[in-house]
Amino acid sequence: DTAVSQTPKYLVTQMGNDKSIKCEQNLGHDTMYWYKQDSKKFLKIMFSYNNKELIINETVPNRFSPKSPDKAHLNLHINSLELGDSAVYFCASSQAGGYQETQYFGPGTRLLVL
Amino acid sequence: GNSVTQMEGPVTLSEEAFLTINCTYTATGYPSLFWYVQYPGEGLQLLLKATKADDKGSNKGFEATYRKETTSFHLEKGSVQVSDSAVYFCALSDQGSNYKLTFGKGTLLTVNP
Repeated sequence: DTAVSQTPKYLVTQMGNDKSIKCEQNLGHDTMYWYKQDSKKFLKIMFSYNNKELIINETVPNRFSPKSPDKAHLNLHINSLELGDSAVYFCASSQAGGYQETQYFGPGTRLLVL
Repeated sequence: GNSVTQMEGPVTLSEEAFLTINCTYTATGYPSLFWYVQYPGEGLQLLLKATKADDKGSNKGFEATYRKETTSFHLEKGSVQVSDSAVYFCALSDQGSNYKLTFGKGTLLTVNP
């Protein structure tokens, strides 16, 4: 009965490869997010989508391309992986994106680029 | 722009000790304030929130009061347990920044038996 799920949980890959992370929410929310957590635990927004439309792209390199096939899914594709992309990536969702709303987070995808 | 400053960790306490984790913020509007908790190996979950000045958020024995005059939202708990060991994040969102949370750097709390 997971509210926000991500796959895979762990991802180990070589520099230069292309990889995707998938996210699904079953909460009926309209808004979904990708956050990056670095090795010091600092969390930063990457993208926000509302009703499948991109709302926020927070100066993320264009090697990162989010795709939202429907309101319940937000996938993250990363091209030409670099060492600095190693991090934990969290998907989240909220009802409508309003500033008073709670965001619900997935368990995270731990990406290690070798 | 918006920013959140949390006290540096790590914080190590004995069971039943009193906990305070300081959080101050800078925001252009009238923000909503949140505390999220991340248990080891897990994602973040909301601990409590307050959406206007003088509101007190509370959950699981934790409390925080939204103080506009001091731009603060300090987290407190009267008696911590080993199970409270986690990373705690203060965060904000305001009307000028819908669709995203701005987080502090997180504070690692370890509670020893």
